[in-house]
Amino acid sequence: KAGVTQTPRYLIKTRGQQVTLSCSPISGHRSVSWYQQTPGQGLQFLFEYFSETQRNKGNFPGRFSGRQFSNSRSEMNVSTLELGDSALYLCASSLGHTGTDTQYFGPGTRLTVL
Amino acid sequence: AQRVTQPEKLLSVFKGAPVELKCNYSYSGSPELFWYVQYSRQRLQLLLRHISRESIKGFTADLNKGETSFHLKKPFAQEEDSAMYYCALSGYSGGGADGLTFGKGTHLIIQP
Repeated sequence: KAGVTQTPRYLIKTRGQQVTLSCSPISGHRSVSWYQQTPGQGLQFLFEYFSETQRNKGNFPGRFSGRQFSNSRSEMNVSTLELGDSALYLCASSLGHTGTDTQYFGPGTRLTVL
Repeated sequence: AQRVTQPEKLLSVFKGAPVELKCNYSYSGSPELFWYVQYSRQRLQLLLRHISRESIKGFTADLNKGETSFHLKKPFAQEEDSAMYYCALSGYSGGGADGLTFGKGTHLIIQP
């Protein structure tokens, strides 16, 4: 079974631009979660989608948004990029609930904001 | 608010020695607790979860609600255990299970 895939793997943007990252979950998984990983803050939960609905959201500004499609693929969008948004963005999928089902992580998208 | 603390950024032990990676949490309810591991150049992956009470690759972890701890232990370290280890917690709010809250991680180095 193919694992979680994320595209693109690397991205360079400038301040003020916006960016869209994509995540394809493992086939059959309905839950997709997004995390931001930085050296200073570590891994932080962004949001979780289940059956096209946002189920939970972390403590991030409204510039961070996401969505999930009927095939469970998910995208996250960051608008008006800031230097501090430079990070590794990880996506994880699971069969059902994030808290009870095993999450399988993708390789991440490395975003650099100049 | 839920919080996970891993007090050691780096832990270095010799092969064959016991290993204990510390994890303390703060959560008012009954959380689900996990240990995730990331080997060099590999993805983050689940090592074990307290609810299943499994032993994976010789590692065990016991949830101590009184001390709010979930330390990871292995009696005899092996070189292939060298990796980054993250403790994580999932709580429950009115909408269901929350996303994972991760600790900052402990880099475990097993010396030959």
